[in-house]
Amino acid sequence: KAGVTQTPRYLIKTRGQQVTLSCSPISGHRSVSWYQQTPGQGLQFLFEYFSETQRNKGNFPGRFSGRQFSNSRSEMNVSTLELGDSALYLCASGQGDGYTFGSGTRLTVV
Amino acid sequence: QKEVEQNSGPLSVPEGAIASLNCTYSDRVSQSFFWYRQYSGKSPELIMSIYSNGDKEDGRFTAQLNKASQYVSLLIRDSQPSDSATYLCAKRGSSGDKLTFGTGTRLAVRP
Repeated sequence: KAGVTQTPRYLIKTRGQQVTLSCSPISGHRSVSWYQQTPGQGLQFLFEYFSETQRNKGNFPGRFSGRQFSNSRSEMNVSTLELGDSALYLCASGQGDGYTFGSGTRLTVV
Repeated sequence: QKEVEQNSGPLSVPEGAIASLNCTYSDRVSQSFFWYRQYSGKSPELIMSIYSNGDKEDGRFTAQLNKASQYVSLLIRDSQPSDSATYLCAKRGSSGDKLTFGTGTRLAVRP
């Protein structure tokens, strides 16, 4: 079966712009989680959605937001981009016995 | 104290040896633990999960969990150069599917 699909794979944005990333989970999975990975901070949890409801939220500023649609696809949005937002953004879907990550979106803010 | 701690390494072992990767966690609530492997420039891939005290084996990999000591480990037998990667330990919180990761241990297997 298809894995977790993230689009786009790469993005270059300018400071102050906003960006939207997309994640389609494995078919049948209702939970989608988002993570930010940077060399300095490692993998950090952003938020988790289950059946269109945010179930957990990490310690990120309000510029980071997300949502989940009825087909379980999820989007995350970052507004007013800062240089420090440059990172690999990963989403994962799963049901407790293991979580599968997508290939990620590499965001570069210039 | 970090919620999940790992030695960043690098851990260098010769080909064919056993690589031992360790992870400690700070709470007594977490029940589920995961090991991921991440190659440079790639996303993490799940190696195995463990929920009960003791050992769990899958091929060349054995995960060990000791909840009393708040300790999780991963043994890789017959290490191969292709095992060279960063190994991430993660725990799942008490509700939902949030994972908290350690910073990872870089493993280098010498041919």
